[in-house]
Amino acid sequence: DQQVKQNSPSLSVQEGRISILNCDYTNSMFDYFLWYKKYPAEGPTFLISISSIKDKNEDGRFTVFLNKSAKHLSLHIVPSQPGDSAVYFCAATSGTYKYIFGTGTRLKVLA
Amino acid sequence: GAGVSQSPSNKVTEKGKDVELRCDPISGHTALYWYRQSLGQGLEFLIYFQGNSAPDKSGLPSDRFSAERTGGSVSTLTIQRTQQEDSAVYLCASSAGLAGGIPNTGELFFGEGSRLTVL
Repeated sequence: DQQVKQNSPSLSVQEGRISILNCDYTNSMFDYFLWYKKYPAEGPTFLISISSIKDKNEDGRFTVFLNKSAKHLSLHIVPSQPGDSAVYFCAATSGTYKYIFGTGTRLKVLA
Repeated sequence: GAGVSQSPSNKVTEKGKDVELRCDPISGHTALYWYRQSLGQGLEFLIYFQGNSAPDKSGLPSDRFSAERTGGSVSTLTIQRTQQEDSAVYLCASSAGLAGGIPNTGELFFGEGSRLTVL
């Protein structure tokens, strides 16, 4: 049972354009969501998070949107840069210790 | 060290052998996690420690897998009688844990992982 789903395994975007990465979840008890970025041969690193009491959180070029009714969140990167090329994982938790991760989306930003 | 440290970074072993993977979390972090990432898969939760106890071992794939944590710090993940399907990158993460039942920022700090290849 995949509670957190990232249906797009890969995405290619031109440098300077917007990258939109999507994530769907099934567990309505999830109340905190996170995005992690992973470069090859490195561990994932935290990027941005959002609580279920919000519908948007912004940090520089990164914005996460949460649509609770649709159980959907998305990560927007504007403008995209070649250094953003990585695998992006969304994760969710229901206010406890357990973080459930999606399968990841590989973003490639073309120069 | 400043970050989560894992060893070995790479391990090649023969089917049927036992392996031990080590994780040294960030100093002071009470919560420690093991995840694994198989080829083409996401991050699969294995086990969670709060201090030295493991309240959730539900992600361990079989009884060949075990983990312990001593002194609230270093953790060891042991895989006995390894099988080819155990080949994966095993990731350890730590966090400051729960404070009054409320998660911290939610940030898990991951190590670089231990890549296990079972021949």
